[in-house]
Amino acid sequence: GEDVEQSLFLSVREGDSSVINCTYTDSSSTYLYWYKQEPGAGLQLLTYIFSNMDMKQDQRLTVLLNKKDKHLSLRIADTQTGDSAIYFCAEGAGSYQLTFGKGTKLSVIP
Amino acid sequence: NAGVMQNPRHLVRRRGQEARLRCSPMKGHSHVYWYRQLPEEGLKFMVYLQKENIIDESGMPKERFSAEFPKEGPSILRIQQVVRGDSAAYFCASSPLHTGGPTNEKLFFGSGTQLSVL
Repeated sequence: GEDVEQSLFLSVREGDSSVINCTYTDSSSTYLYWYKQEPGAGLQLLTYIFSNMDMKQDQRLTVLLNKKDKHLSLRIADTQTGDSAIYFCAEGAGSYQLTFGKGTKLSVIP
Repeated sequence: NAGVMQNPRHLVRRRGQEARLRCSPMKGHSHVYWYRQLPEEGLKFMVYLQKENIIDESGMPKERFSAEFPKEGPSILRIQQVVRGDSAAYFCASSPLHTGGPTNEKLFFGSGTQLSVL
């Protein structure tokens, strides 16, 4: 069955880079997504990558996709305290039928 | 423009009771989706509704769970005769149209209802 795995916790110092990793099993996934959930708020789409791409950069965010290994990563450059949140990896075919990971809680130490 | 509103934030029920979770979509949105996050798992799709219609309930458990989105008022996810295994975070999302396109940019999530069954 479909499965998305990611580590549960990550702690980094302010100003350092954060790298959150994710693996998935469904080779037919068309899109892979990163969502952010801040305390008390809903999930917010951060960025996504189409499955035929290797990399996507958007300001401080860099998404890397290794389709052969089914590995997705999110790199946040110059991590700030406002980046503290839970980050969810998800895969799907571009609609509401998403499969999410359990979420990685990022803690930024000032 | 208020976001997707879910209430209550936390709901405690004893085994055998009924749980009713409410979701008010963003203004102008007519499509609602419910997801469930069981402990130690990722969010999983449950049901997709438009006003007065269930479009896709492929992720809903067959028994005790029902959902509605009436013409007026919020969408309701109803769980009858709750059991401990129903304890989870239930998230609602809404969109202005069916997100059948290449991205989910128009899918907006609420902050969830945490259901605890004693």
